[in-house]
Amino acid sequence: GDSVTQMEGPVTLSEEAFLTINCTYTATGYPSLFWYVQYPGEGLQLLLKATKADDKGSNKGFEATYRKETTSFHLEKGSVQVSDSAVYFCASKGRNTDKLIFGTGTRLQVFP
Amino acid sequence: ETGVTQSPTHLIKTRGQQVTLRCSSQSGHNTVSWYQQALGQGPQFIFQYYREEENGRGNFPPRFSGLQFPNYSSELNVNALELDDSALYLCASSSDRGGLSNEKLFFGSGTQLSVL
Repeated sequence: GDSVTQMEGPVTLSEEAFLTINCTYTATGYPSLFWYVQYPGEGLQLLLKATKADDKGSNKGFEATYRKETTSFHLEKGSVQVSDSAVYFCASKGRNTDKLIFGTGTRLQVFP
Repeated sequence: ETGVTQSPTHLIKTRGQQVTLRCSSQSGHNTVSWYQQALGQGPQFIFQYYREEENGRGNFPPRFSGLQFPNYSSELNVNALELDDSALYLCASSSDRGGLSNEKLFFGSGTQLSVL
């Protein structure tokens, strides 16, 4: 079945460092891809999405590009802030389904 | 603030008991999905309700059941609780089933259920 694999955390960075969180997917067909963020004590918030190959999703300085050839959707940010500390989830959704398939999450810790 | 509210925020039950979790959708949303998030894991899809009818289900046993009301609020019921049911339960609302139009989901903060 469809699945999402993302790098294990925690990822620990200093403020202003470059961030990459890897995400790969397996799916039949061409799913939509998402990154969600979960701050402590809160629900999931959509960070960005891409619905077809070569699309780039971006928001709040984060970006990810839908790479069909490598079945990847890696999350990047050029300069992280302490306020970016959270758990990040990669997710996929098939064309003919309403359910999201999530990775296991990657905790990001940013220190001043 | 997503406009999706869940209650209670925390709950402790013992094995074999039954539990009801509640979700109030964002205004105007007619679709609600429920997810189970075990500690250290990503959320797992339980089921979705659209206009008061179940509209898709994940790999969860029948003791997980739900309801959606005419005002689109929703309940998740779990019977015969097991220790492995301990998790954060998230509901998410969307309009028109979310999936077909890629409309984003709005998640609540969840109910943390502990089964002892």
